Amino acid sequence: AQKVTQAQTEISVVEKEDVTLDCVYETRDTTYYLFWYKQPPSGELVFLIRRNSFDEQNEISGRYSWNFQKSTSSFNFTITASQVVDSAVYFCALSETYNNNDMRFGAGTRLTVKP
Amino acid sequence: ETGVTQSPTHLIKTRGQQVTLRCSSQSGHNTVSWYQQALGQGPQFIFQYYREEENGRGNFPPRFSGLQFPNYSSELNVNALELDDSALYLCASSLESTSGSKGWMYNEQFFGPGTRLTVL
Repeated sequence: AQKVTQAQTEISVVEKEDVTLDCVYETRDTTYYLFWYKQPPSGELVFLIRRNSFDEQNEISGRYSWNFQKSTSSFNFTITASQVVDSAVYFCALSETYNNNDMRFGAGTRLTVKP
Repeated sequence: ETGVTQSPTHLIKTRGQQVTLRCSSQSGHNTVSWYQQALGQGPQFIFQYYREEENGRGNFPPRFSGLQFPNYSSELNVNALELDDSALYLCASSLESTSGSKGWMYNEQFFGPGTRLTVL
C-alpha cells in the first residue's frame, strides 16, 4: 500500500526565512498524484498543489515552490521569505487513483513562523 | 456556487452511542469522500460514495457506514462509539469524470470545514 512520510514534525522559523518541508512517498504504481495541503488553526484543508507522476517539472507559485523528484520519491515544498500567515500544519498526500478513493496523507509538519 | 458544508460543527457523545454527521457537496459534485483526522495526525480515508454506492473504503470497521442521497449530500454514521473515535471528520466532494483514462484525468476534490466529534 502507498505511504507518505513527513519526517519533520515541527519547524519554527523567523519571518523572512526560507523553509523547506520534506515529503517522501512510497507507491508501486507508475501513475499517481501528489498533493500538498495547508491546514490553518480553523481546521479546513486548503489545497495548494497537485502533481501527476508523469510530470516532474518543478513548480513555482509566488513564494511557494515544489520540487518533485521521482528518483528519490520526494515531493518537497519550499516557502521563500516566510510570513506569519504561513503558520499552519502542512500535509503531503498521495493518491494512486484519479478519483481519490485511496488518498493517503502524511502525518503533517507544523510550521510556526515567528515575527 | 456554494462550497462543501458540514454539520454539526461540534458534537459531544458518550461511549457506546451512535452519531450521524452530514455533508453537503459542492454544487454539481457527485462524489463524496469522508476522512477521519485524529489529533496531531493526518486525515485518514474512511470511504467514498459515488452515485449512492460505496466506491472505495479505507481500513475502518463496519460500524463506520455511510449514505449518499440523490441530491449527492451524504451522511457518515458511526455506531458503538469508542473513545478513539474522537476526531475531526472531514468530507470532500468532487465531480466524477465520465470519460478519460487514468493518467490524464483527475477529479479535483474540495474539503469541507469538518465536524469535531468528542467521545467521552
